[in-house]
Amino acid sequence: GENVEQHPSTLSVQEGDSAVIKCTYSDSASNYFPWYKQELGKRPQLIIDIRSNVGEKKDQRIAVTLNKTAKHFSLHITETQPEDSAVYFCAADTGGFKTIFGAGTRLFVKA
Amino acid sequence: NAGVTQTPKFRVLKTGQSMTLLCAQDMNHEYMYWYRQDPGMGLRLIHYSVGEGTTAKGEVPDGYNVSRLKKQNFLLGLESAAPSQTSVYFCASSQAGPQGTQYFGPGTRLLVL
Repeated sequence: GENVEQHPSTLSVQEGDSAVIKCTYSDSASNYFPWYKQELGKRPQLIIDIRSNVGEKKDQRIAVTLNKTAKHFSLHITETQPEDSAVYFCAADTGGFKTIFGAGTRLFVKA
Repeated sequence: NAGVTQTPKFRVLKTGQSMTLLCAQDMNHEYMYWYRQDPGMGLRLIHYSVGEGTTAKGEVPDGYNVSRLKKQNFLLGLESAAPSQTSVYFCASSQAGPQGTQYFGPGTRLLVL
């Protein structure tokens, strides 16, 4: 079945460094790729998304890249801050209410 | 503007008991969803609704039922709870379907003994 693999499961960086989280999807029909941030004990919140007709999208310190040929997409966070510490989830959606989420990456930003 | 709210926040059930989780949104969104979140796994879609009076099965619908009698409310029912249904349940809503921004509720933590 459809699958989204997310790596790494845990990532620890020093404040100010960059963080990269990678996801690979299996369903070539996927055309929408959101990223969610979930702080401890809180609800998931959409932070950025990308559609299959775009290769890269930026929003201030965060960016997402998509490689449709390789079926993988990545989240890049630059100049990390302690408040970036959270669990980040990627997802792939085909448009048919079949959004498949990755297992999550726990990001620690050390001050 | 409360956004998406869920009740209760936490519940303990015994195996075989039933309960209903309530989700309410005040953003006039057409689409509503119920997800479960288990440790080490991403969110999984249980059921969804594309509008008042409609419901449909998601990825993991077994053991759950839903109703959307009013546009602003989406109810998730467990008729006979099982330990495998121990999880955190999130409701979400969106205006533009699953490929639009989904707004999540605060979650309901359910423990089935």
